[in-house]
Amino acid sequence: DTAVSQTPKYLVTQMGNDKSIKCEQNLGHDTMYWYKQDSKKFLKIMFSYNNKELIINETVPNRFSPKSPDKAHLNLHINSLELGDSAVYFCASSQGKSQPQHFGDGTRLSIL
Amino acid sequence: QKEVEQNSGPLSVPEGAIASLNCTYSDRVSQSFFWYRQYSGKSPELIMSIYSNGDKEDGRFTAQLNKASQYVSLLIRDSQPSDSATYLCAVEDGDDKIIFGKGTRLHILP
Repeated sequence: DTAVSQTPKYLVTQMGNDKSIKCEQNLGHDTMYWYKQDSKKFLKIMFSYNNKELIINETVPNRFSPKSPDKAHLNLHINSLELGDSAVYFCASSQGKSQPQHFGDGTRLSIL
Repeated sequence: QKEVEQNSGPLSVPEGAIASLNCTYSDRVSQSFFWYRQYSGKSPELIMSIYSNGDKEDGRFTAQLNKASQYVSLLIRDSQPSDSATYLCAVEDGDDKIIFGKGTRLHILP
């Protein structure tokens, strides 16, 4: 059973398009995250939700909008994709804030 | 700007030797510290967490924390080729946010 699952694993699309990435966790965790890992492998937090409430919102363009329909799901919608959005996006979850995190397999986004 | 610093490497260690990975952090109020391992093309996976000063051992891995020096390290004993990966240090910043270092690439030489 996959603990944190993301879909799709790969996303290749053109500049200007809108796309969504979905994330689900079956660990019963209260907190979920979105991270971006760039080509230099730097893992940087974008958003965090605790029990469906946004608790961390880093300096991320407004084109990125997270949505948490329930505490087991955290989706990421990206509008007007740009070349610089190419990266691997990881979803993660933890029992609570500042607790060890479990990561999904990542979504590799490539912008043409 | 709260920071977590790691030497990017690569750190080359002979098989069977001890690999020592180091990390410093800037925020004195940090209370939670983590080491993650990331194989190329894979997601980070938790190896160790440590919350109080001193050593914490789990199998071949030992995490060491010195809050006064703002320093956390990971020792890997009897290094194996399968330990070759990037090791990410992660530190809670006092505002419930985890900040990751840029990682150290470890290469175990057969």
